Amino acid sequence: ELKVEQNPLFLSMQEGKNYTIYCNYSTTSDRLYWYRQDPGKSLESLFVLLSNGAVKQEGRLMASLDTKARLSTLHITAAVHDLSATYFCAVVVTASKLTFGTGTRLQVTL
Amino acid sequence: EAGVAQSPRYKIIEKRQSVAFWCNPISGHATLYWYQQILGQGPKLLIQFQNNGVVDDSQLPKDRFSAERLKGVDSTLKIQPAKLEDSAVYLCASSSSWVRREAFFGQGTRLTVV
Repeated sequence: ELKVEQNPLFLSMQEGKNYTIYCNYSTTSDRLYWYRQDPGKSLESLFVLLSNGAVKQEGRLMASLDTKARLSTLHITAAVHDLSATYFCAVVVTASKLTFGTGTRLQVTL
Repeated sequence: EAGVAQSPRYKIIEKRQSVAFWCNPISGHATLYWYQQILGQGPKLLIQFQNNGVVDDSQLPKDRFSAERLKGVDSTLKIQPAKLEDSAVYLCASSSSWVRREAFFGQGTRLTVV
């Protein structure tokens, strides 16, 4: 059974700092997604990573995928309060079945 | 382009009652998912449809949950009878068959069972 683990589960960081969220998964996959969820809201697609070595950047967020290590990272550069949310990675193994990680709740403080 | 539509947004029922949720996916999307998200957890897949066929329902509690996707478009998810532990947000998502295949989510239905 596919397991998708994220760490940390909770991250409190100051504005202006950098940090990385990690997503590990247990079965070979070449497709991984990152989503953002604000409290009481649905999930918003951030990045689609389709191959080994894929790197995508949008604003202060950068995501990468290493399929050999079964690892994806979401790097936050110079955090701002607007980035406070819960971030999920989701992995596809077979037949487009999307399995979500445990989530990382990010809190950016002044 | 219209997104994934779900209704109702909120529902409060007593345990042992039944409830139904409706989802209209993005036009042309062949894959439709129903997820259950309990407060503080990641979404858990309940059932996945490809057109009107079931691809995966391994985590659907079939003694009380049922789902259908008529004509490969709209879908309904039903719970009968509901238990307290069914309190959660039920998310519907859809994706296309193209390369990116990212899933787009609806606003969800927040179910409270009392």
